[in-house]
Amino acid sequence: AQKVTQAQTEISVVEKEDVTLDCVYETRDTTYYLFWYKQPPSGELVFLIRRNSFDEQNEISGRYSWNFQKSTSSFNFTITASQVVDSAVYFCALMTDKLIFGTGTRLQVFP
Amino acid sequence: EPEVTQTPSHQVTQMGQEVILRCVPISNHLYFYWYRQILGQKVEFLVSFYNNEISEKSEIFDDQFSVERPDGSNFTLKIRSTKLEDSAMYFCASSEDSASNQPQHFGDGTRLSIL
Repeated sequence: AQKVTQAQTEISVVEKEDVTLDCVYETRDTTYYLFWYKQPPSGELVFLIRRNSFDEQNEISGRYSWNFQKSTSSFNFTITASQVVDSAVYFCALMTDKLIFGTGTRLQVFP
Repeated sequence: EPEVTQTPSHQVTQMGQEVILRCVPISNHLYFYWYRQILGQKVEFLVSFYNNEISEKSEIFDDQFSVERPDGSNFTLKIRSTKLEDSAMYFCASSEDSASNQPQHFGDGTRLSIL
């Protein structure tokens, strides 16, 4: 069965704090892709990153970084020096033949 | 940057009526998708479409739903005999191919409210 678990329902931080959003996935496929999407209060889905199952290199993009660990089936997302504009729901997703989303983590960043 | 566009942004419909949600995928994309997000819940796959055929559909996508690509640019989702529980945000997405290295580009969604 394919499944994505985001155990953190809601996280609240104060601006400038670092925050890590957890994502654990399950799949029997050897080839798969992992995504993170951001859903701001306006409702649209904003693509942040994709990772394929053969590439375990971590990635950094500005204040965002991703830690992919195949051994633990995790694809965690860290925001460094969080800002109020980072407040949104963040979805982790797994793609084999279709895109399967986790339940999302609501991040609230307070000034 | 090219984007997926969806219309209308908000649709209010009486229960039992039919509704058509419209999407214009990115022009060189070949694979099209519909997803649904009930308020406060996760995004759920409904259907994928390629070469004028449904390539995969979920359990949610029953006989009440249909998709069509009526011309070279639009991709529509029709919901017949709408029910209260059809109220949700509906997202259209497209990708260049089905290979998962292409991120699915999502439209901004249509919020469907059934009264």
